[in-house]
Order: sequence, then C-alpha cells, then structure tokens
Amino acid sequence: QQQVKQSPQSLIVQKGGISIINCAYENTAFDYFPWYQQFPGKGPALLIAIRPDVSEKKEGRFTISFNKSAKQFSLHIMDSQPGDSATYFCAASRGNNRKLIWGLGTSLAVNP
Amino acid sequence: NAGVMQNPRHLVRRRGQEARLRCSPMKGHSHVYWYRQLPEEGLKFMVYLQKENIIDESGMPKERFSAEFPKEGPSILRIQQVVRGDSAAYFCASSPELKEPQHFGDGTRLSIL
Repeated sequence: QQQVKQSPQSLIVQKGGISIINCAYENTAFDYFPWYQQFPGKGPALLIAIRPDVSEKKEGRFTISFNKSAKQFSLHIMDSQPGDSATYFCAASRGNNRKLIWGLGTSLAVNP
Repeated sequence: NAGVMQNPRHLVRRRGQEARLRCSPMKGHSHVYWYRQLPEEGLKFMVYLQKENIIDESGMPKERFSAEFPKEGPSILRIQQVVRGDSAAYFCASSPELKEPQHFGDGTRLSIL
C-alpha cells in the first residue's frame, strides 16, 4: 500500500517552462511534507517543505501548493532550467517520529 | 560544516558475507535515520536512532539486519549473511532536533555477487 502517491512518473519540460509534480496522501495525521531533489549517484537534497497550516510556500523558483481537504500537495518549478533535470521525491511524516514516507519519484528532464 | 558522511560509497559482498555500512552525522546532529532505495523506487524507511537508542525500527527486516548509534563514533547498519535481494543504495540522514529537516549523505551502494 503506497501511502504517498506521486505523479507523473516522468516529465519533460522545455527550458523556461513550468514543471508541476503532484502528490496525494492517505494518512490525515501527516503534518510535514518535504520535497527532495536527487541527482544520479547522490543523496536526496531538501528543496522545500510545508506544514498543513499554510496553503502555499514559495522559495525562489520553487513553490509548494497544499490542499488539506483533498489531501494533495504539489511542487511547481518556475522558469525550469536544464540544471533542474533530476529526480524529485515528495515525502510525508507525522508526529514525534519524523520517519519519512516517500513517493516513488518523478524523473524530470528540462530540454534546452 | 561537513555534511553527512557515509562510507564506503560502494561495497561488494558475496552471498553469506556480512556488510557494515557507516554513517557519520553532521556535527551537532543526534538523530539518525537509515533508508533503503531499490532501483527506480523511492526510499523506504528502515530505522531511526538517537544516540545509543533505537527509537523506531519498524522498517527493519526482522532477521539479519541491525543498527546502532553509539555514544562515540558513527552509526552502523549491519547486514549479516547478505543475499542478492539486499542489493540497494542505503542512505543515512541526520537532524539536530526531532522536528528539524533531515540531511542526507550520498549513500552506500551495496552489490551482492
């Protein structure tokens, strides 16, 4: 049972375009939702994270939109660049444990 | 400030041998998490430790796997009598406090011959 469902599995975007990746979760007890970026051969690096008390958070070209009632959250990458080409993971955790439950990842390719 | 250090980066073992994976958290971080990543899949939680204590090992296989985080030295993930299915990338993450973001190392790629 996949507690965090991520889509699409892969995404191709032109340089300067907007990349949108979506995640849906089941457990309403989740209270922390980070997005990680991973390059081949490297560990995941935290991009941006949100808690359910806000509906949107923006950091530079990266924005998380959060819809608590729909149990969905998404990552928007504005003005996508070839250097953004990587695998992106959404995750969720809850309470005092903080173990991250991960989506299966989205492979993003930004064409020059 | 050095990041999370994992070693070795690549480890090759034959079936039945033992694998020991090491993780040195960032300075000042007392919370350590281990995750496993199979090819083309997301990460799966294995175990969460805080200095000398295992807090949550709900993701650890019941047999052959163990983890420790001693008062001095790195955290160790130990896999005894490895099998082909143990081949994966193992990532360690650390955080300074419970509710702070987790920072990841670059992982250990374990290959079983």
